[in-house]
Amino acid sequence: ETGVTQTPRHLVMGMTNKKSLKCEQHLGHNAMYWYKQSAKKPLELMFVYSLEERVENNSVPSRFSPECPNSSHLFLHLHTLQPEDSALYLCASSQEPAYSSYNEQFFGPGTRLTVL
Amino acid sequence: GQQLNQSPQSMFIQEGEDVSMNCTSSSIFNTWLWYKQDPGEGPVLLIALYKAGELTSNGRLTAQFGITRKDSFLNISASIPSDVGIYFCAGQLGGAQKLVFGQGTRLTINP
Repeated sequence: ETGVTQTPRHLVMGMTNKKSLKCEQHLGHNAMYWYKQSAKKPLELMFVYSLEERVENNSVPSRFSPECPNSSHLFLHLHTLQPEDSALYLCASSQEPAYSSYNEQFFGPGTRLTVL
Repeated sequence: GQQLNQSPQSMFIQEGEDVSMNCTSSSIFNTWLWYKQDPGEGPVLLIALYKAGELTSNGRLTAQFGITRKDSFLNISASIPSDVGIYFCAGQLGGAQKLVFGQGTRLTINP
């Protein structure tokens, strides 16, 4: 595997379900990100992990719970979601900014989430 | 907060035509990035710009970092069908700052 991978690619869940999204990066990066992409809206940054510590939480509802067990893996745990949470959830990774001047973010293919 | 205005929002062109799109900001950035997103996929980095005035090419794509550091443009020459998709600009003030994304330009090509 190369680059940034995400599983599952598609997920349909009810509002009472609990599910998790997984992201894995094979680029040797040490910063990882979760974004939400809704139709006709700019990408919304949700969470940032740098060196496995959460450094940003953009006022995201508590029904979204991130986890970063190591620098290569990032999870987004979902519970009691709402239909308006349906969107494409994108993971990205980069070099930790303090260690590199070139910290472009590389994205995974995304998980298309539908909440019924 | 910082906002990026990306234009045009959509383009409908004939195959073989050149394409130009741009992003402007009310505040300065130190880095400009251009991404392309195909349907059902994540954005793919096309070009990264790090210096004001920098002009960088990647095949048929050329991007420039505006001298005022508040704008950037992307040109595509001799468009082909696989250029179809949504193009996003993104700006970053400094290494530790988060990316700010434009709204995207949707490119459609008629064969």
